[in-house]
Amino acid sequence: DIQMTQSPSSLSASVGDRVTITCRASQSIRTYLNWYQQKPGKAPKFLIYAASILQSGVPSRFSGSGSGTDFTLTISSLQPEDFATYYCQQSYNSPTFGQGTKVEIK
Amino acid sequence: QVLLVQSGAEVKKPAASVKVSCKASEATLTDYYIHWVRQAPGQGLEWMGWINPNTDDTNYAQKFQGRVTMSRDTSISTAYMELSRLTSDDTAVYFCALSGAVAGFFQYFHHWGQGTLVIVSS
Repeated sequence: DIQMTQSPSSLSASVGDRVTITCRASQSIRTYLNWYQQKPGKAPKFLIYAASILQSGVPSRFSGSGSGTDFTLTISSLQPEDFATYYCQQSYNSPTFGQGTKVEIK
Repeated sequence: QVLLVQSGAEVKKPAASVKVSCKASEATLTDYYIHWVRQAPGQGLEWMGWINPNTDDTNYAQKFQGRVTMSRDTSISTAYMELSRLTSDDTAVYFCALSGAVAGFFQYFHHWGQGTLVIVSS
């Protein structure tokens, strides 16, 4: 299985901050990388596929980049509704997820 | 807009089995692959496998092979996931989710059920 490692595991930030989350794959996955947002007690919400393509309806403050083994999710200006846990997921072969990054209010 | 509605919470004893359902509205299940993903309390997401409702083909994560069975009834747009020989480690919220492919650029989970809590306790 391809292992996905996110960093940091958690971070504290303020509204308006720029936030970057990193996801690293144990082998090259080209750009077969997706991002999700999950709030407590809710199902994950799909944000980005193919490393950088925003799902319809996702605010443009979210962006993704990377290829091969290293990827980032960036929130350009953190909004109150963005406090959540974020997961990366590889779709190169049988899906695996990162362990999650919790974005908390500073 | 596809809506996935899952069955209600379950409490099971160790060694028992559980069967969770996932019903699609406003769409037919045959348009997508149906995956099952679980999340233990306070933990991350774990993919369990998928079923192709058109062909009944399945692909299970190695960890669950021999213990999980995914099935569907296309006449009622419902998918099922049955997990046997339950232990306390199987206590989790189980989600169904849809994708347009099983690998590559279109293998992303674009719609999710609300989740079903399964508690395994003696």
